[in-house]
Amino acid sequence: DTEVTQTPKHLVMGMTNKKSLKCEQHMGHRAMYWYKQKAKKPPELMFVYSYEKLSINESVPSRFSPECPNSSLLNLHLHALQPEDSALYLCASSQERQGQLTDTQYFGPGTRLTVL
Amino acid sequence: AQSVSQHNHHVILSEAASLELGCNYSYGGTVNLFWYVQYPGQHLQLLLKYFSGDPLVKGIKGFEAEFIKSKFSFNLRKPSVQWSDTAEYFCAAREWIWPGGYQKVTFGTGTKLQVIP
Repeated sequence: DTEVTQTPKHLVMGMTNKKSLKCEQHMGHRAMYWYKQKAKKPPELMFVYSYEKLSINESVPSRFSPECPNSSLLNLHLHALQPEDSALYLCASSQERQGQLTDTQYFGPGTRLTVL
Repeated sequence: AQSVSQHNHHVILSEAASLELGCNYSYGGTVNLFWYVQYPGQHLQLLLKYFSGDPLVKGIKGFEAEFIKSKFSFNLRKPSVQWSDTAEYFCAAREWIWPGGYQKVTFGTGTKLQVIP
């Protein structure tokens, strides 16, 4: 199984709503990532979790709150978002082992988020 | 910090034409390079990757890329494109962050390829 799944596929929310994006992988990967991809732009890294600990926060606003409850799951909690936060949110995972430079990130299909 | 640039933003080709998409990176350390493809409405898929060894890398669907260290380039090529190759192509570079042992991938701005039947 080399698949990263994300739910929901599409999400429309108001600026006062609280919602969560979910990501799951069963490849035994110990690093998981959230990316944001605006239309016609490349993916931009938001967060990195390594062994269930937050390792990188790329200066993301606090209205985005990641959570890694276990090694297979990664959530992104959303609260008080702005219309400019509308984008495709991509999750990825990789096997992180010191010295193993051949590990590749596998991407999920993304959640298309629209903030009204 | 590394950066990745793709100079071709939109490329239009006829079927059977040859393709070359440019990618340049800036990073002083050991670099791992990738090409990803994103078909319309689909998620990112890995086309090929370069870590070390033979600088000419072959990927899926007839794509290949050449790593030229002196030029900081990793151009993607395909001798004969098909209509089904219509997609957006992203070059990416990876650096490893220690301690922690995780990877940070930086993407180029992407090249939209349109193949006309």
